[in-house]
Amino acid sequence: NAGVTQTPKFQVLKTGQSMTLQCAQDMNHEYMSWYRQDPGMGLRLIHYSVGAGITDQGEVPNGYNVSRSTTEDFPLRLLSAAPSQTSVYFCASSSPRDGSYEQYFGPGTRLTVT
Amino acid sequence: GQQLNQSPQSMFIQEGEDVSMNCTSSSIFNTWLWYKQDPGEGPVLLIALYKAGELTSNGRLTAQFGITRKDSFLNISASIPSDVGIYFCAGQLDFGNEKLTFGTGTRLTIIP
Repeated sequence: NAGVTQTPKFQVLKTGQSMTLQCAQDMNHEYMSWYRQDPGMGLRLIHYSVGAGITDQGEVPNGYNVSRSTTEDFPLRLLSAAPSQTSVYFCASSSPRDGSYEQYFGPGTRLTVT
Repeated sequence: GQQLNQSPQSMFIQEGEDVSMNCTSSSIFNTWLWYKQDPGEGPVLLIALYKAGELTSNGRLTAQFGITRKDSFLNISASIPSDVGIYFCAGQLDFGNEKLTFGTGTRLTIIP
């Protein structure tokens, strides 16, 4: 049981490039989410999904797209990278079936846009 | 969006000291969670609180769900070097809504 996995761990992009951050979980969790973490800002919600085929915007969705074709995977796409997207990105999952709201986090992807 | 005020922002303590930090909000939360983040890692769940007034312990850590449901507290007793890191509170606002709101974190440093 690997929990929540994220790839890559580090990435450097040039302005205007696109890329996909991968997130997968093996806990059969319905809820998955993406956060970005910037110094002094805590964790801010980018997009989330309550199940396969359903996604919604969080607090800071601009410049990012997501899809949820399976329960396990929730990729985050940067369409045209900008320096303001330099951040650490975390994926998390939880299961409302458990009656709890405890989210479990992946190890993060550290992205630098030059 | 919702905001959680977490304080203090940073703490410098000596090994063996007790630590207290708190989180406050202008909104009522149904769930409070406390996470710890080590450098270069993702946040790890420490304690979850589900009822107003609830006091829950996890080893040397104790957290409380405030009676007003607008605040929560985390205490660490007899700190040790591995307690170093950033502690985040998170609140869940609506039943049936999995979204969490996070505080800005308390950075704990232990002075040798």
